[in-house]
Amino acid sequence: DTGVSQDPRHKITKRGQNVTFRCDPISEHNRLYWYRQTLGQGPEFLTYFQNEAQLEKSRLLSDRFSAERPKGSFSTLEIQRTEQGDSAMYLCASSLPVRTGLTNTEAFFGQGTRLTVV
Amino acid sequence: RKEVEQDPGPFNVPEGATVAFNCTYSNSASQSFFWYRQDCRKEPKLLMSVYSSGNEDGRFTAQLNRASQYISLLIRDSKLSDSATYLCVVNLGNTGKLIFGQGTTLQVKP
Repeated sequence: DTGVSQDPRHKITKRGQNVTFRCDPISEHNRLYWYRQTLGQGPEFLTYFQNEAQLEKSRLLSDRFSAERPKGSFSTLEIQRTEQGDSAMYLCASSLPVRTGLTNTEAFFGQGTRLTVV
Repeated sequence: RKEVEQDPGPFNVPEGATVAFNCTYSNSASQSFFWYRQDCRKEPKLLMSVYSSGNEDGRFTAQLNRASQYISLLIRDSKLSDSATYLCVVNLGNTGKLIFGQGTTLQVKP
């Protein structure tokens, strides 16, 4: 399967625990995005990378959230001291970079990691 | 004001109907635009890109109005299988950040 893969697909954790999610993008894609989605809402931007560089992190994201992409390939998203409000679907997507003459760079999504904090 | 705004619906239409969704975006530097489709409990998937001159793909037509910062999606001859949430997506220019609207839910009924 050459699409975006995320692991785990589901995670149930107790409030206060730390969780880490992994995303493997499509191999030739150097842009990688993390989104969070709750029921009835569109995906909410969390952060994104070009290669190993984190280009932006949402101001809505607390310091409990951190993401890395150490070698410019897979990425991890960690949530520390989870709260019930963190329960959501966490989506990863990858794309080619925007550049001159190639503006319509669609993003391909993984199937997501559904987090439930109890 | 949200960066990308959509009417959440739901839109309930009979089979065969024509339905139109609208989307507005706030950042005039936005460079590329897309419509994604999301089925219940699935990941979003690209439906179509939106080009400046407007584009059509079968029963689906997308339009872009840069002056009004407005995007639309028209679905003709609706099918039951068109029932889904349609997400308007904007790429914020040089930053490349993709921003999603809230999504518009479509329910096509027999």
